[in-house]
Amino acid sequence: EAQVTQNPRYLITVTGKKLTVTCSQNMNHEYMSWYRQDPGLGLRQIYYSMNVEVTDKGDVPEGYKVSRKEKRNFPLILESPSPNQTSLYFCASSLSGTSLYNEQFFGPGTRLTVL
Amino acid sequence: AQSVTQPDIHITVSEGASLELRCNYSYGATPYLFWYVQSPGQGLQLLLKYFSGDTLVQGIKGFEAEFKRSQSSFNLRKPSVHWSDAAEYFCAVGRGSNYQLIWGAGTKLIIKP
Repeated sequence: EAQVTQNPRYLITVTGKKLTVTCSQNMNHEYMSWYRQDPGLGLRQIYYSMNVEVTDKGDVPEGYKVSRKEKRNFPLILESPSPNQTSLYFCASSLSGTSLYNEQFFGPGTRLTVL
Repeated sequence: AQSVTQPDIHITVSEGASLELRCNYSYGATPYLFWYVQSPGQGLQLLLKYFSGDTLVQGIKGFEAEFKRSQSSFNLRKPSVHWSDAAEYFCAVGRGSNYQLIWGAGTKLIIKP
């Protein structure tokens, strides 16, 4: 089944403890992206990747890191999480990042709470 | 700067009634417009998109949207809602400079039995 998977789905952690949220897609998509969703703010893009080894900042990249070493994986790293990073995180992928025509496919989301 | 406004945070509709969700955008050129739906506990799914041509766009699950350039709007409609339509709906506009999307804040649809 074509899908985007994220792990973990739920995570409660403490301030300053490094964490990684994994994202994997099995559709051979070139483009991948991370968003955070907060009430009243909709989705805000954190980072995106047009292809392997190519990443770029979105609108809210502070406090986050990403890497794209393989086409299928795009992990989101929080080196020193803070409470303001408590949010619902979505990973998405699409066939190409150089065309808006391609539909973005979303993972199920990761709900992160930083205490 | 481009922006997307969804004026209604929540909308409550009786099952079987018609639905219209509003979306207004700010964009200098011809916009690429999208509606996505987020069912409870799930990721987002594309309902429909507009790039050019016919201003009335048909999507999945019986939804349609109409692009009105003069009003800078792209409202989502459905003639008769079902309980399974209860979800959060997001409008988005494509940002031509880097092919990214700008998202509205979302409208939560509540269905009354």
